[in-house]
Amino acid sequence: SQQGEEDPQALSIQEGENATMNCSYKTSINNLQWYRQNSGRGLVHLILIRSNEREKHSGRLRVTLDTSKKSSSLLITASRAADTASYFCATGLQGGSEKLVFGKGTKLTVNP
Amino acid sequence: EAGVAQSPRYKIIEKRQSVAFWCNPISGHATLYWYQQILGQGPKLLIQFQNNGVVDDSQLPKDRFSAERLKGVDSTLKIQPAKLEDSAVYLCASSLGWTSGRAGNEQFFGPGTRLTVL
Repeated sequence: SQQGEEDPQALSIQEGENATMNCSYKTSINNLQWYRQNSGRGLVHLILIRSNEREKHSGRLRVTLDTSKKSSSLLITASRAADTASYFCATGLQGGSEKLVFGKGTKLTVNP
Repeated sequence: EAGVAQSPRYKIIEKRQSVAFWCNPISGHATLYWYQQILGQGPKLLIQFQNNGVVDDSQLPKDRFSAERLKGVDSTLKIQPAKLEDSAVYLCASSLGWTSGRAGNEQFFGPGTRLTVL
């Protein structure tokens, strides 16, 4: 069963706008990771946030984590056409198994 | 640094035939994962190795799927016999795992093998 659920399922914006994607999960986690997948290609790791962290930045990416609400958000600022991809949240469960459980993803389209 | 290598990139077979996928992880990565990704869904973990031992194979359909990681490096995933519902992209990933000294590490993915079962 899927642990994380992304919202929205699809998002279409104009170049230069910000994109926000949300992820909700069910059980306690050790960390939460965001990955990007371009059409027909493998996944690329974007950012990892640990359960004792609340916010993390990487370039144009900003991730927040609220463990009390079991939710996370990924913000992409000043989006570009090259950001068009599917974005997945993946939860690392407590216990140290290194196992990740992926959500179904948000499909982002950035129109030039 | 070379990434995760997978072969073949594409495979088309008839149902009830067998197929094998190969993965070479990033050098030094102790943990290796095989995922199945059905169109429109997120990856689902099939099996996880730590060195050459299995850590998690709870979602591996063991009546038809098998995997091994000899010598703790390369890995093969086999399906025998294949069913129509096995059509998917099979992704291999690797990570430092516990050798990093802390729990929770990023995973590096290969390009995947797209399997079509007719």
